[in-house]
Amino acid sequence: SAVISQKPSRDICQRGTSLTIQCQVDSQVTMMFWYRQQPGQSLTLIATANQGSEATYESGFVIDKFPISRPNLTFSTLTVSNMSPEDSSIYLCSVQGSSPGANVLTFGAGSRLTVL
Amino acid sequence: DAKTTQPPSMDCAEGRAANLPCNHSTISGNEYVYWYRQIHSQGPQYIIHGLKNNETNEMASLIITEDRKSSTLILPHATLRDTAVYYCIVRAGWNTDKLIFGTGTRLQVFP
Repeated sequence: SAVISQKPSRDICQRGTSLTIQCQVDSQVTMMFWYRQQPGQSLTLIATANQGSEATYESGFVIDKFPISRPNLTFSTLTVSNMSPEDSSIYLCSVQGSSPGANVLTFGAGSRLTVL
Repeated sequence: DAKTTQPPSMDCAEGRAANLPCNHSTISGNEYVYWYRQIHSQGPQYIIHGLKNNETNEMASLIITEDRKSSTLILPHATLRDTAVYYCIVRAGWNTDKLIFGTGTRLQVFP
């Protein structure tokens, strides 16, 4: 399965600033997904990022707040803009595997953001 | 996608089998059942998936009822390292996108 590296692994940010999280995959993948996990909660899908097209956002998430780039088949970034304490979460990147007939995702270790 | 229902928490003694149930009564014919787990402070890890037959791999076994409305993940000999949140997810296969996570079952394995 793919190996995913996320940077930063954790950060402490000031309210009103923005932070960009990077996701690097060791193989080419078509679909990349960004999830958010708020403290003590399950994972919530933010958006799907395909190379060469705009990201598709889930209900409750907008591009102005969470702009995503997908410049090639191995890399994506998620920016958390104009942060507030409510944005304190773990942000996870995931990619779809190649197992035929099934949708097996591999996840990065996550980026833990704390907003003060 | 069909929704799933899992108990919020379970306990299991180390060395014993852990049986984690999942209800998915609205599952449709082309939807797979997936299990993932998330150990504290890590990203979710894929465990196993199945369509209608029972499945086994090096990590676990998946038992799906004949009507496919429920399934059970079995960890045959639970260890302390199996303490995690276990997510049961139902999703169509074949190049479909996104997995939607429910609330999962927090499994605590005790010595």
